[in-house]
Amino acid sequence: AQRVTQPEKLLSVFKGAPVELKCNYSYSGSPELFWYVQYSRQRLQLLLRHISRESIKGFTADLNKGETSFHLKKPFAQEEDSAMYYCALSGPRGTYKYIFGTGTRLKVLA
Amino acid sequence: NAGVTQTPKFQVLKTGQSMTLQCAQDMNHNSMYWYRQDPGMGLRLIYYSASEGTTDKGEVPNGYNVSRLNKREFSLRLESAAPSQTSVYFCASTPGGVVYEQYFGPGTRLTVT
Repeated sequence: AQRVTQPEKLLSVFKGAPVELKCNYSYSGSPELFWYVQYSRQRLQLLLRHISRESIKGFTADLNKGETSFHLKKPFAQEEDSAMYYCALSGPRGTYKYIFGTGTRLKVLA
Repeated sequence: NAGVTQTPKFQVLKTGQSMTLQCAQDMNHNSMYWYRQDPGMGLRLIYYSASEGTTDKGEVPNGYNVSRLNKREFSLRLESAAPSQTSVYFCASTPGGVVYEQYFGPGTRLTVT
């Protein structure tokens, strides 16, 4: 069964420290993976997706098929990064379904 | 473009009451979705509509019905609200196909007492 696991409910780091938000997935085939972010009192928005391989707001994520992971990383956390982060998996193709993880709340402390 | 809009923003219902949550998108997207967001549970798919004229159940469809009124609008109905349906409901849309990102509405916060 397809599944997305985000093992940390809450991650607290100090400003300037590196950040890694973990995401593991279970999927047979080639997955399409996304990270969404929800800032306080705002709607969910796409942060990045593995297919585009771009860096947004200093965040990057690499798909590791061997470890079935898609961890989100940033070398130096900023206070404005404090938000809820969701890892999501789409597919299989033709189903139009997306599966979200349970989310990780990131708190960046001054 | 307004993107994805939802009404109402907040609602309080009594157990057994019914209501419809409205969602509309102006991006000419084919696919639309309804999720509920609960603490510790993430986003769970209630129903989705791959294209106009089709609807399918998601992970947690019990207690809900949907209508894809036209390409723009996708409504979610609670026929007999229960306290377990207290949640934040999000509507989303995509151009169609799972390679695309989802565009989310602002959410509806529903409390059932």
